[in-house]
Amino acid sequence: DAGITQSPRYKITETGRQVTLMCHQTWSHSYMFWYRQDLGHGLRLIYYSAAADITDKGEVPDGYVVSRSKTENFPLTLESATRSQTSVYFCASGWGSNTEAFFGQGTRLTVV
Amino acid sequence: AQSVTQLDSQVPVFEEAPVELRCNYSSSVSVYLFWYVQYPNQGLQLLLKYLSGSTLVESINGFEAEFNKSQTSFHLRKPSVHISDTAEYFCAVSLGNQFYFGTGTSLTVIP
Repeated sequence: DAGITQSPRYKITETGRQVTLMCHQTWSHSYMFWYRQDLGHGLRLIYYSAAADITDKGEVPDGYVVSRSKTENFPLTLESATRSQTSVYFCASGWGSNTEAFFGQGTRLTVV
Repeated sequence: AQSVTQLDSQVPVFEEAPVELRCNYSSSVSVYLFWYVQYPNQGLQLLLKYLSGSTLVESINGFEAEFNKSQTSFHLRKPSVHISDTAEYFCAVSLGNQFYFGTGTSLTVIP
């Protein structure tokens, strides 16, 4: 199916564990983004990528790692999860600033 | 840094009444403007966008927004809301290949 998919939809992990959130898009969009959504903060950009093998930090990158070896995939890794990283994570993709971004369904991550 | 301000965090409105959700941004250069809607437990969906041309843009479900450059605003309006419009609405600005979002406005339509 065409679109952007995130997995898993829900994840509970323990403090200190490494966890990877997956994002896959079928449009061959150049740009991909990772946001976190927290009450009172709206959506904050964690990392973004302009193309394969090109990534850059957003507003809140600390504690996160990304990679983009293929255009269609943009995984987000929490190297050592902390409770403050409990959030809803959204992946998005698009052609650039002069067009809209398309969002996945989100991953609800709980760190206990 | 770019900022987007949504002045109202919650807006309750009766069914069939008009509504306006306010959005202001800070930028001295040209930007692209978007409104997204988020239904419970779902991702964000594009509602409408302003890229260039006419300052009044419309969506397929009756929403409209007007770009006002002098006031750096992009307010969202609907003349008559429906129960199904209950959702979270986000204003966003695109600048330099990044999207900057407001904190969202929760619209609740009361029967």
